[in-house]
Amino acid sequence: EIVLTQSPATLSLSPGERATLSCRASQSVSSYLAWYQQKPGQAPRLLIYDASNRATGIPARFSGSGSGTDFTLTISSLDPEDFAVYYCQQRNNWPYTFGQGTNLEIK
Amino acid sequence: QVQLQESGPGLVKPSETLSLTCTVSGGSISRYYWSWIRQPAGKGLECIGRIYTSGSTNYNPSLKSRVTMSVDTSKNQFSLKLNSVTAADTAMYYCARHGDSSGYFFDYWGQGTLVTVSS
Repeated sequence: EIVLTQSPATLSLSPGERATLSCRASQSVSSYLAWYQQKPGQAPRLLIYDASNRATGIPARFSGSGSGTDFTLTISSLDPEDFAVYYCQQRNNWPYTFGQGTNLEIK
Repeated sequence: QVQLQESGPGLVKPSETLSLTCTVSGGSISRYYWSWIRQPAGKGLECIGRIYTSGSTNYNPSLKSRVTMSVDTSKNQFSLKLNSVTAADTAMYYCARHGDSSGYFFDYWGQGTLVTVSS
């Protein structure tokens, strides 16, 4: 199965700063990669699909890039509500797999 | 607005069968793929399996020998059975839809149901 490795494990930033989260795949997933946000006690929420497309209702400060094995989620200016855990997920190969998550915390 | 709701026992004894149902409201279950995903406390997410409304299934190889999924389109429901459970199966279980306008990624999720395996 495809292993997704996210970095960093924890990212400490302040509101208004720019966040850059990374996801690396153990083999190419083409552009079949998504990003999710999960807050405590909630289900994950789809942010980005097919590497760079924002899901419905997602603010423009969220953007995704990459293809093949290296992907990035960028939050251009952090809002207090953005502090959460972020997961990447591939659907190029079954079983679909998730990364281990990046915890974006307030500095 | 599509909504998903998981239901089933919150406590299952070791070696027994975990059974969950996901009820879909606000939209039809037809012509979509639906999945079960689980998350142990404080850990990451694992896809258990997916089912199409025709009944076609794909299971995670790590769980394949213990998993059965089914769909009931008349009730707008799909279900999960996981047999021979152990403490390692204790987790939050989510059902989710593969959205056809979101690259077939998981666009709608249930709130999750916590299942504990313990005697």
